[in-house]
Amino acid sequence: AQTIHQWPVAEIKAVGSPLSLGCTIKGKSSPNLYWYWQATGGTLQQLFYSITVGQVESVVQLNLSASRPKDDQFILSTEKLLLSHSGFYLCAWSLDSGNTLYFGEGSRLIVV
Amino acid sequence: AQSVTQPDARVTVSEGASLQLRCKYSYSATPYLFWYVQYPRQGLQLLLKYYSGDPVVQGVNSFEAEFSKSNSSFHLQKASVHWSDSAVYFCALSSTNSAGNKLTFGIGTRVLVRP
Repeated sequence: AQTIHQWPVAEIKAVGSPLSLGCTIKGKSSPNLYWYWQATGGTLQQLFYSITVGQVESVVQLNLSASRPKDDQFILSTEKLLLSHSGFYLCAWSLDSGNTLYFGEGSRLIVV
Repeated sequence: AQSVTQPDARVTVSEGASLQLRCKYSYSATPYLFWYVQYPRQGLQLLLKYYSGDPVVQGVNSFEAEFSKSNSSFHLQKASVHWSDSAVYFCALSSTNSAGNKLTFGIGTRVLVRP
């Protein structure tokens, strides 16, 4: 069975500090991977997606970047956090032939 | 452009009562439609999905949804709710030929089940 793990579960970070959120998929080779952002009490917005290792497409510009260093790993990062980066970050995967996304448990970020 | 509208931000129902959550979509072709549920401080869990065929789809935990092309709708229903159904429910649409399988979400409907 496929499992998706996100880390850290939660973080409180200062404005201007760096950030790195991670996501690992086990049990599925070459999945499509996604990062979504959810403002508190809000809907979900796709940030990035990746179809293969080393290839990442940006959907919206939020002063964030993403990388896929391994087939099963997706990293979201920034060098300088903004207050507006606060929220809930969700990683998801799908089959390359399917449209169903399966989400991780999320990482909650509070920027102070 | 594709969009999803969930007109009800909050719904309160009594335990044992029926529940219907509305979802309207806008898309030029036949979409892939989904309902996800989000429990407090958790990720999203897939309830059900519609690709084609029978417009009534069954999901987990006795949820079902009905697709209507004429009404551009995909309403979610449950005959008898339990207190554990309290959560936020998201309707989502995926275009059939989008690179990267981009899901467009509605704003979500927060459901509170009163004991």
